[in-house]
Amino acid sequence: AQSVSQHNHHVILSEAASLELGCNYSYGGTVNLFWYVQYPGQHLQLLLKYFSGDPLVKGIKGFEAEFIKSKFSFNLRKPSVQWSDTAEYFCAVTSLNSGGYQKVTFGTGTKLQVIP
Amino acid sequence: DGGITQSPKYLFRKEGQNVTLSCEQNLNHDAMYWYRQDPGQGLRLIYYSQIVNDFQKGDIAEGYSVSREKKESFPLTVTSAQKNPTAFYLCASSHGGNSNQPQHFGDGTRLSIL
Repeated sequence: AQSVSQHNHHVILSEAASLELGCNYSYGGTVNLFWYVQYPGQHLQLLLKYFSGDPLVKGIKGFEAEFIKSKFSFNLRKPSVQWSDTAEYFCAVTSLNSGGYQKVTFGTGTKLQVIP
Repeated sequence: DGGITQSPKYLFRKEGQNVTLSCEQNLNHDAMYWYRQDPGQGLRLIYYSQIVNDFQKGDIAEGYSVSREKKESFPLTVTSAQKNPTAFYLCASSHGGNSNQPQHFGDGTRLSIL
């Protein structure tokens, strides 16, 4: 079965600190990996995605994530956070099941609070 | 502007009552999804549909029903069989047929029990 783990439920950082949010998945086949962000009062939106090629992917607002296949991980990073990064971050994995349907699984989310 | 519209934003349900949440998209996406978001549990998939007139149960389908009569619409009914319906419900869509397509989300509907 496909699953996603986000071990950090709530992270508090000061502005300019570096960020790394963990995401681990389990699935035996080919997966595609996503990070979504939900800013306060806004809808979920795509931050970045990986499906092939360079395992280091860059997203919006200076975020990046590295896919490490041997560790089944897709951690999100940002060198220097800003107050405006305060949001909830969700890791997600998708795959095609035997019926050709896209199976999507989300992690439980990490709430990031950045203190000015 | 293309996007996903969910209505209503807030909904109250009486015990034993069925309620229907609306989801409409004008992105010409084939696939649509319903999620339930509870604090500390992330998004859990209720139902999804890859094409018109076809839908599949997700991880927590019990107590819910859906229909997909039109490509742009995917309403979710929360039935009286759902014993704990208070939650935030999110609708999403994506281009179907390929699992590398990101999902686009609506603003959600918050359902509460009176």
